[in-house]
Amino acid sequence: NAGVTQTPKFRILKIGQSMTLQCTQDMNHNYMYWYRQDPGMGLKLIYYSVGAGITDKGEVPNGYNVSRSTTEDFPLRLELAAPSQTSVYFCASRGGGTQYFGPGTRLLVL
Amino acid sequence: GQSLEQPSEVTAVEGAIVQINCTYQTSGFYGLSWYQQHDGGAPTFLSYNALDGLEETGRFSSFLSRSDSYGYLLLQELQMKDSASYFCAVNPPGNNQGGKLIFGQGTELSVKP
Repeated sequence: NAGVTQTPKFRILKIGQSMTLQCTQDMNHNYMYWYRQDPGMGLKLIYYSVGAGITDKGEVPNGYNVSRSTTEDFPLRLELAAPSQTSVYFCASRGGGTQYFGPGTRLLVL
Repeated sequence: GQSLEQPSEVTAVEGAIVQINCTYQTSGFYGLSWYQQHDGGAPTFLSYNALDGLEETGRFSSFLSRSDSYGYLLLQELQMKDSASYFCAVNPPGNNQGGKLIFGQGTELSVKP
């Protein structure tokens, strides 16, 4: 199993541009999550999903959108990038009470 | 709401024992978890306390006391590779919480020779 994979690893965006961060898991987990982590800080939940077709907001959803059309994929969309969205983004899925994290996407908005 | 407090930094020497504390202010939660993160990489699960008391997994142990709103992670026989950030996290209560976690800000552990 590859576990949780994320693409891209790193991206630079200009203010106002849009992009989609991809997340895929091959563990057949129903629950998936998107977090952001700012330097020296903990992880903040952006959005989560309890199954295909079902998503809900976390602590910091503003400026982001998600969709969950399949069990495997949970993409995160930034529509109008802002410098405040410069961060490391982690996707995770949950199985057996444990969250499994992807390697992260480092995003820089200039 | 939920709020978790951890020390920002801890330093210890190789072979020693170190305790990382986590105090919380929350209206209730299902359990306390600990995650390890090396150099901004993917966080990895270490331990989970659903009930009060001590959970032991090899060199790592975790403790929870709901009455004291307090938990800790204990690392024994420290090794250089244990240098990392450690996060406590809680599962907030509620019927529709989706298993989500609320994380503390993390404790950076530095292990010296």
